[in-house]
Amino acid sequence: GDSVTQMEGPVTLSEEAFLTINCTYTATGYPSLFWYVQYPGEGLQLLLKATKADDKGSNKGFEATYRKETTSFHLEKGSVQVSDSAVYFCALRVTDSWGKFQFGAGTQVVVTP
Amino acid sequence: DGGITQSPKYLFRKEGQNVTLSCEQNLNHDAMYWYRQDPGQGLRLIYYSQIVNDFQKGDIAEGYSVSREKKESFPLTVTSAQKNPTAFYLCASSRGGQGDTEAFFGQGTRLTVV
Repeated sequence: GDSVTQMEGPVTLSEEAFLTINCTYTATGYPSLFWYVQYPGEGLQLLLKATKADDKGSNKGFEATYRKETTSFHLEKGSVQVSDSAVYFCALRVTDSWGKFQFGAGTQVVVTP
Repeated sequence: DGGITQSPKYLFRKEGQNVTLSCEQNLNHDAMYWYRQDPGQGLRLIYYSQIVNDFQKGDIAEGYSVSREKKESFPLTVTSAQKNPTAFYLCASSRGGQGDTEAFFGQGTRLTVV
């Protein structure tokens, strides 16, 4: 079945450090890929998305490229801030599966001053 | 403003009682979803609905029930049969079955069994 695997956390970084969160997927169809962010006690917010191979999604300094050959969608940010501390979820959606979303387990990121 | 509203934000339930979590959206979305979130386990799908008066079980439907009588509303009932209901519950919606559209989430309801 469809699945998403992302690196375990917590990931602890100093402010202005480079962030990478790895995400790989398995899907039988042609998925769209998403990154969501969750702050404590809140729901998930869409961070960025990519709908076809080689697309790059970007938002708020975060980027991720849809790599079909490696079935990956790694999230990157060049210089993190304390306010980026949150849990990040990678997700996919395959058109021919009733539109269900499959989420990874989430990666907690902690940025220290 | 369009969005998804979950209520209440915090809910306490005694063992053996049923409780209903509310989810309302004004985004005109066809699809709605309920997820359960436990620490360190990500999101698990409870139920989902693509159209009014129809819904499907997700991965962990046992002990839960839903209804979809209106497009805007998708309430979740946590029954006494759910053995470990304490969790954070998230409702989401999206535009139909189109794979390229994202899910929009509510702010969640934290349910605690006392």
